[in-house]
Amino acid sequence: DVKVTQSSRYLVKRTGEKVFLECVQDMDHENMFWYRQDPGLGLRLIYFSYDVKMKEKGDIPEGYSVSREKKERFSLILESASTNQTSMYLCASSPTGRGYEQYFGPGTRLTVT
Amino acid sequence: QKEVEQNSGPLSVPEGAIASLNCTYSDRGSQSFFWYRQYSGKSPELIMFIYSNGDKEDGRFTAQLNKASQYVSLLIRDSQPSDSATYLCAPHRNYQLIWGAGTKLIIKP
Repeated sequence: DVKVTQSSRYLVKRTGEKVFLECVQDMDHENMFWYRQDPGLGLRLIYFSYDVKMKEKGDIPEGYSVSREKKERFSLILESASTNQTSMYLCASSPTGRGYEQYFGPGTRLTVT
Repeated sequence: QKEVEQNSGPLSVPEGAIASLNCTYSDRGSQSFFWYRQYSGKSPELIMFIYSNGDKEDGRFTAQLNKASQYVSLLIRDSQPSDSATYLCAPHRNYQLIWGAGTKLIIKP
């Protein structure tokens, strides 16, 4: 079974803090994704990566950055957290050539106060 | 206009009946379409996909696609309480999934 894990299930941070969200997958997938999910807005792609050290902006990259130093690990960084970044953050991975077959982690509920 | 439109629901269906979930999309370049199911408090999981016009059946699930009308649907026969979830429609384009906001389905015993 594919397993995608995320570093925290719940996280509370203060405005202006730097926040790190980590995602690890154990199936040797090339593709990894970071989404945020908000009620009524669905899943919105923040960044994705097709290979180590490679990253591409998604639909809403502003205020975020990513790092992929190893194939199995994809980190999302909030440089200076703001209250409008309070959300559910979901990481996903998919096999090469099958970007549509995404396996999701359990999510991190981030609250910025 | 959103790229992918789904009725947010909730759609309430009696147990044993057919649940019909609809999705329209705006990009004619989308060639394949995926349905994900998301239980409350859980992450999405892939349940069905369809590439060609017409119907595709998998157990109690049938996906329907009409590219001319830019319309995709998911039918669930013999609905069970365990089918209660949010169903996300996602056309595939340029190696990415374009997500709808989902339809919340409630199956009433």
